[in-house]
Amino acid sequence: GQNIDQPTEMTATEGAIVQINCTYQTSGFNGLFWYQQHAGEAPTFLSYNVLDGLEEKGRFSSFLSRSKGYSYLLLKELQMKDSASYLCAVDRNSGYALNFGKGTSLLVTP
Amino acid sequence: EAGVAQSPRYKIIEKRQSVAFWCNPISGHATLYWYQQILGQGPKLLIQFQNNGVVDDSQLPKDRFSAERLKGVDSTLKIQPAKLEDSAVYLCASSLEFNPNYGYTFGSGTRLTVV
Repeated sequence: GQNIDQPTEMTATEGAIVQINCTYQTSGFNGLFWYQQHAGEAPTFLSYNVLDGLEEKGRFSSFLSRSKGYSYLLLKELQMKDSASYLCAVDRNSGYALNFGKGTSLLVTP
Repeated sequence: EAGVAQSPRYKIIEKRQSVAFWCNPISGHATLYWYQQILGQGPKLLIQFQNNGVVDDSQLPKDRFSAERLKGVDSTLKIQPAKLEDSAVYLCASSLEFNPNYGYTFGSGTRLTVV
């Protein structure tokens, strides 16, 4: 079966750092994605991890531990525009057909 | 380059009616995906095409949903007959070859309301 878990909601303060966790149990694994989705809009790609370790892209970083079935997305220097839903997704068949978690709704407050 | 185009943007139908959605992927993209996103949930893959062949349709409710990708370019997704629980945003995405710097691109989606 496929099971991808993320916290439902998080709140953080502008300028702070927030870590959004994702745990997964899937029948196959060929990489883990993080997408950002603002309300009423399509998801947009943030990061991709296929090997263990940390990938850094500007204010956003993503970490993967395949042995633990665990990933996190780290957002630094939070801005109000970072208020969105963050979706963790696993590619289980190398064709990039993704299994998504339910998403974590992040609210950034002044 | 132009993005993934979807139409219509919104659709309201009564239950038991039929509806069709259209997707035009980014030019040259061989792989096309249809996802269903129910409010408050992550997208769920319905079907994946590689050119005009189906790669994965294991989560497509085939008793009422159908999809085709004639000539390996545009795609249509149809629901017949619709149920209340089909109310969702239907997202189309496409990819050429995977680039870890870009993932793949979603269209803006079609928001379906079944009443």
